[in-house]
Amino acid sequence: QLQLQESGPGLVKPSETLSLTCSVSGGSIRSSIYYWGWIRQPPGKGLEWIGSIHHSGNTYYNPSLNSRVTISVDTSMNQFSLNLTSVTAADTAIYYCARLLLAIDVWGKGTMVTVSS
Amino acid sequence: SSELTQDPAVSVALGQTVRITCQGDSLRSYYPSWYQQRPGQAPVVVIYGKNHRPSGIPDRFSGSSSGNTTSLTITGAQTEDEADYYCSSRVSSGYSWVFGGGTKLTVL
Repeated sequence: QLQLQESGPGLVKPSETLSLTCSVSGGSIRSSIYYWGWIRQPPGKGLEWIGSIHHSGNTYYNPSLNSRVTISVDTSMNQFSLNLTSVTAADTAIYYCARLLLAIDVWGKGTMVTVSS
Repeated sequence: SSELTQDPAVSVALGQTVRITCQGDSLRSYYPSWYQQRPGQAPVVVIYGKNHRPSGIPDRFSGSSSGNTTSLTITGAQTEDEADYYCSSRVSSGYSWVFGGGTKLTVL
C-alpha cells in the first residue's frame, strides 16, 4: 500500500526558506502516469494547491506562489521536495504531500510548519 | 478563472439527503473530485471523475455535474459524515489544480 511521509523543520524564521521532503514507500515515484504534489492548509482555513511534479521533472506551480516555489524529485531516493523562499507568517500551515492523477488519491498525514522568529 | 466556489456551511438531519455544490469555469473542461476532511485528519477522496467512488467509500456518496456546477450528494447522512468537504479540479494550465473553499457539513 502506497504511503507518503512528510519531513522537515516545524519552525522556520521569517524571510528564510521552508524545505520539506516527502518520502514515498510501497510504490515507485517513477510510475509514469502519476504526478506528485504539495498542498497546504493554514490553521482553520481551506486547502491550497502549491504545485506538482512528474518524475521526469515536469513541474506546475500555483501562480500565486510561483516566484517562491521550487519542487524537485529524487528518483534514487523515491522522494520529492518542496522549497518555499522568503516565508512570512502567512505561510504557516499544515503541509501535505500527495499523489495526483484523476484525483488526489493518496495523501501524507501532513506536517505543521510555523513561521515565527 | 481558476476559482471554485462552495457554500461555507450546510446542515442535514440524520438519515436525510444533502447536496453540496461547487461552481467554477474549470468544471466545464475537467472532472471534479470531492474530499472529506474530518478534524485533525488529512483529506480523503470520496468521489472523482464521472461519479467514481474509491474502494471503501460508502455508496451513499455520489456525484453529478452539469456545465460549470458539480454536486456531491449524501443519501442518508450519518453522524460520521460530519466533516469539511472540498471540491477540486484540474485547471487549464497543464497539471495544475484548484480547490474550492470548503463546505462544513453538520449532521443534526
